[in-house]
Amino acid sequence: GAVVSQHPSRVICKSGTSVKIECRSLDFQATTMFWYRQFPKQSLMLMATSNEGSKATYEQGVEKDKFLINHASLTLSTLTVTSAHPEDSSFYICSAPTPLNTGELFFGEGSRLTVL
Amino acid sequence: DAKTTQPNSMESNEEEPVHLPCNHSTISGTDYIHWYRQLPSQGPEYVIHGLTSNVNNRMASLAIAEDRKSSTLILHRATLRDAAVYYCIRSPYNTDKLIFGTGTRLQVFP
Repeated sequence: GAVVSQHPSRVICKSGTSVKIECRSLDFQATTMFWYRQFPKQSLMLMATSNEGSKATYEQGVEKDKFLINHASLTLSTLTVTSAHPEDSSFYICSAPTPLNTGELFFGEGSRLTVL
Repeated sequence: DAKTTQPNSMESNEEEPVHLPCNHSTISGTDYIHWYRQLPSQGPEYVIHGLTSNVNNRMASLAIAEDRKSSTLILHRATLRDAAVYYCIRSPYNTDKLIFGTGTRLQVFP
């Protein structure tokens, strides 16, 4: 079964609204989580590192006021796309490192956002 | 900058071995080599990783060149469910942050 779960898996919203995507680690704690976005037929692009108890670290070119990240607890990180526009339509994926220190990352199932 | 080079696509027949190459000629001594795969409309899935020695697990084998400038992911018997995009990623030992390149799209034919 999934060890990192995202919700919702699909969301459709109107332009100008905000959308929140949740990423939960199941049965383990994650002080760090990562958020990626993926456009059709492209690779994953790292957006930011979500840090429990502190501010997220954003990759160059990613607007922190546009993509709000909150690491609310040791098992939950949320990504809020504010004032979404059609160009924000994408597949958003989160990941968390395994606590077993094996070098493996668990990825969520992804959340497909469509902005009309 | 993903700093790895992979062929855009490869093909295989079912039950045949598949060798997926990856070049990482600028790899540093403490960079690990990770392989993930992504099935359509899903998040990536861990396959294998290694540092210097060849590695085997239930999914695949990882053969790392002696100079570490290249590696090969080996699927011993491809199945239709192995059709996916395979990403080779190099990452420093002290980070969980992975930068994905373009990957290799593997097609498996019955």
